[in-house]
Amino acid sequence: TQLLEQSPQFLSIQEGENLTVYCNSSSVFSSLQWYRQEPGEGPVLLVTVVTGGEVKKLKRLTFQFGDARKDSSLHITAAQPGDTGLYLCAGGTGNQFYFGTGTSLTVIP
Amino acid sequence: SQTIHQWPATLVQPVGSPLSLECTVEGTSNPNLYWYRQAAGRGLQLLFYSVGIGQISSEVPQNLSASRPQDRQFILSSKKLLLSDSGFYLCACEGEKLFFGSGTQLSVL
Repeated sequence: TQLLEQSPQFLSIQEGENLTVYCNSSSVFSSLQWYRQEPGEGPVLLVTVVTGGEVKKLKRLTFQFGDARKDSSLHITAAQPGDTGLYLCAGGTGNQFYFGTGTSLTVIP
Repeated sequence: SQTIHQWPATLVQPVGSPLSLECTVEGTSNPNLYWYRQAAGRGLQLLFYSVGIGQISSEVPQNLSASRPQDRQFILSSKKLLLSDSGFYLCACEGEKLFFGSGTQLSVL
């Protein structure tokens, strides 16, 4: 089993603040995905990164894949209450996708 | 486009009873299929994955089993449920990205 550790586990911030979530592993992945999940629903894909050092931007969200393809970060600028949810990273290798431990984000209006 | 049907949405079962969760996929052929389990507010644990009919790979030893009797059908089973089997079970299908079903919340009492 390949473990991806996310930090922090819980994060509560005020609307308008910036935040960064980290996803770290000792394993190398061919791709890395970030998902957002609402309670009682399946995760929804936000982005996939495949190249070491790759940076992708999705509106206020910036995703980075580490040079060695072992870690990734998600940065949210000017967080909004709609950003509240569980953020999950997932590493892909072969036919398997391994998920991180999750970061529960609460944005307070 | 791919669609995943997963049922039931919620299930309450006594300890020692059998389990059968079904997942069917539409809009694709010969997909890779996955069963994950998720503890509340945490990451997803990969339980089983399948690359084709009758082909099942198990990630962790446990009280559960999986079967793929048809190309687009994936079943999660148990002969005797344990308290520790409680959790949120998600079926997923790999296409251009990993698509998730709506999940089954299983409570073993």
